Amino acid sequence: GQQVMQIPQYQHVQEGEDFTTYCNSSTTLSNIQWYKQRPGGHPVFLIQLVKSGEVKKQKRLTFQFGEAKKNSSLHITATQTTDVGTYFCAGASGTYKYIFGTGTRLKVLA
Amino acid sequence: SAVISQKPSRDICQRGTSLTIQCQVDSQVTMMFWYRQQPGQSLTLIATANQGSEATYESGFVIDKFPISRPNLTFSTLTVSNMSPEDSSIYLCSARAPAGEKLFFGSGTQLSVL
Repeated sequence: GQQVMQIPQYQHVQEGEDFTTYCNSSTTLSNIQWYKQRPGGHPVFLIQLVKSGEVKKQKRLTFQFGEAKKNSSLHITATQTTDVGTYFCAGASGTYKYIFGTGTRLKVLA
Repeated sequence: SAVISQKPSRDICQRGTSLTIQCQVDSQVTMMFWYRQQPGQSLTLIATANQGSEATYESGFVIDKFPISRPNLTFSTLTVSNMSPEDSSIYLCSARAPAGEKLFFGSGTQLSVL
């Protein structure tokens, strides 16, 4: 079945450094979503990408969807302590179901 | 946006018993899903709760173990039956609103089976 992998699994950064997580799907995706889960919380939707090569920005966050629609990335510029959490990508491949990636846990050191 | 109320928030249960988790959405939604999340791990889709018909289960999950109901467009339950310690996990319900694609999540049920 469809698998969605993310790297790295963990990332510790100093506050102010940049952070990137990469998401790779075993199948071509119709769209991809990103979620953030704070420690002890539930996943919260960040963004959806639909088009091949699409790039979207939300303040310090930049999301990219690969040309082949099998990979995606999330880049955070100048991390802050409020960015702490686990970032999940979730891919849909033509169905109504979203398969979540393995997640990247971000820790920001002040 | 949709607000999802999920209860109980946590429970400690004995082996062999069953627990029913309830999920109430404050607006009508097209689809509802149940996920399981082990601590520090990703979310695994258990099933899609279909309104008025049997749920659609993912590989590795069966109706006898995880019966699901969805009597209307705003409510669903997941029962974890004949529990064993391996069922200890966080169970999350989610919903997708008619107008969009994004998923909203309940706050989760942390289940511990002794």
